[in-house]
Amino acid sequence: EPEVTQTPSHQVTQMGQEVILRCVPISNHLYFYWYRQILGQKVEFLVSFYNNEISEKSEIFDDQFSVERPDGSNFTLKIRSTKLEDSAMYFCASRGGGAATGELFFGEGSRLTVL
Amino acid sequence: SQQGEEDPQALSIQEGENATMNCSYKTSINNLQWYRQNSGRGLVHLILIRSNEREKHSGRLRVTLDTSKKSSSLLITASRAADTASYFCATDLSGNTPLVFGKGTRLSVIA
Repeated sequence: EPEVTQTPSHQVTQMGQEVILRCVPISNHLYFYWYRQILGQKVEFLVSFYNNEISEKSEIFDDQFSVERPDGSNFTLKIRSTKLEDSAMYFCASRGGGAATGELFFGEGSRLTVL
Repeated sequence: SQQGEEDPQALSIQEGENATMNCSYKTSINNLQWYRQNSGRGLVHLILIRSNEREKHSGRLRVTLDTSKKSSSLLITASRAADTASYFCATDLSGNTPLVFGKGTRLSVIA
């Protein structure tokens, strides 16, 4: 069964360092998302991406964040200068079909710990 | 905000009992979805109910939607210990708007 894969599963970094989280969405999907979940809390939307550009972003997704689809398969989230409060689980998701509505397929997440 | 809010925040039941979780939201929606999350894992889609539907079943899951009250419920019948997880509702406004998740209900099923 096709699945969304994310790497790394866990990354520990020092405050101020750059982090890149990687995702391989399901191959025929067209819409890609990043969400984050601070431990035990709600799942928060960060950004959506369609047709090689950001379609929507939340207030959390400030200038320190960027997304890229460099090679048609990978979908990356970069945090330029990490802060302590960026510690969270980051989930990539994708969905396909001709319409944007429908179920999201999530990866298992990348746990980011900022020290 | 169209954010869904689940109720209760936590629920503990005995195996074999039914579990009911509720979700309320604020704006008109295109559909509402329920997801499950095992501890430390990704979210898994359970069921989608469209705004013109009132009830939907999938195995031991039953979802209702009341658009006049802007609420939905998820019923898990004959619960099992393996149903222990967090359950989230997510609202989908329309088109390209992203799903917005609630805070979830933590369900514990005790064997």
